[in-house]
Amino acid sequence: EPEVTQTPSHQVTQMGQEVILRCVPISNHLYFYWYRQILGQKVEFLVSFYNNEISEKSEIFDDQFSVERPDGSNFTLKIRSTKLEDSAMYFCASSTGLVWSSGNTIYFGEGSWLTVV
Amino acid sequence: DAKTTQPNSMESNEEEPVHLPCNHSTISGTDYIHWYRQLPSQGPEYVIHGLTSNVNNRMASLAIAEDRKSSTLILHRATLRDAAVYYCILRDLALSGGSNYKLTFGKGTLLTVNP
Repeated sequence: EPEVTQTPSHQVTQMGQEVILRCVPISNHLYFYWYRQILGQKVEFLVSFYNNEISEKSEIFDDQFSVERPDGSNFTLKIRSTKLEDSAMYFCASSTGLVWSSGNTIYFGEGSWLTVV
Repeated sequence: DAKTTQPNSMESNEEEPVHLPCNHSTISGTDYIHWYRQLPSQGPEYVIHGLTSNVNNRMASLAIAEDRKSSTLILHRATLRDAAVYYCILRDLALSGGSNYKLTFGKGTLLTVNP
């Protein structure tokens, strides 16, 4: 079964450093997402991406965050200058179409655990 | 956020059916009801979704009330692997027109399956 893959599975970084989390969405999917989950808390939406641009973002997704689809297969999340509070599990996800108007499903990766020290 | 109400936790025995309820009295007429689950230390996983009629797939069944104000996820024979947090998710109406893109996760129901 096709799946969303993420790398690295775990990264430890120093506060203030830049981090890039990588994802390979399912190949025929058109919509891409990043979510995060701080330990013990809810899964939170960060950003959605379609047709090479951000279609929606949350308040969490400030200027320190950026996303990119540098080629036909990868989808990346960059955190420019990490803070302690960025420590979380980051989930990449993808879907073939819009979730609500078409009833499509979102497929999530296993996550990248980011620890900022 | 979209308003759903789920019990914080439920317990089941292995091989028995489990009925996970969700109330969503403010559901919009054309929005799908999605269920996802999250196993320990894993990403959310799609379980099932439906609009009006009851739905079945290899993982579960979804029973939707006639007025669509509630739904029940049914696991026909719970296994230890079904122990997870189950999320009933509706469209986020807090945004103008409602988001078409994102899933808004609540706290869900923590299902414990006893051997």
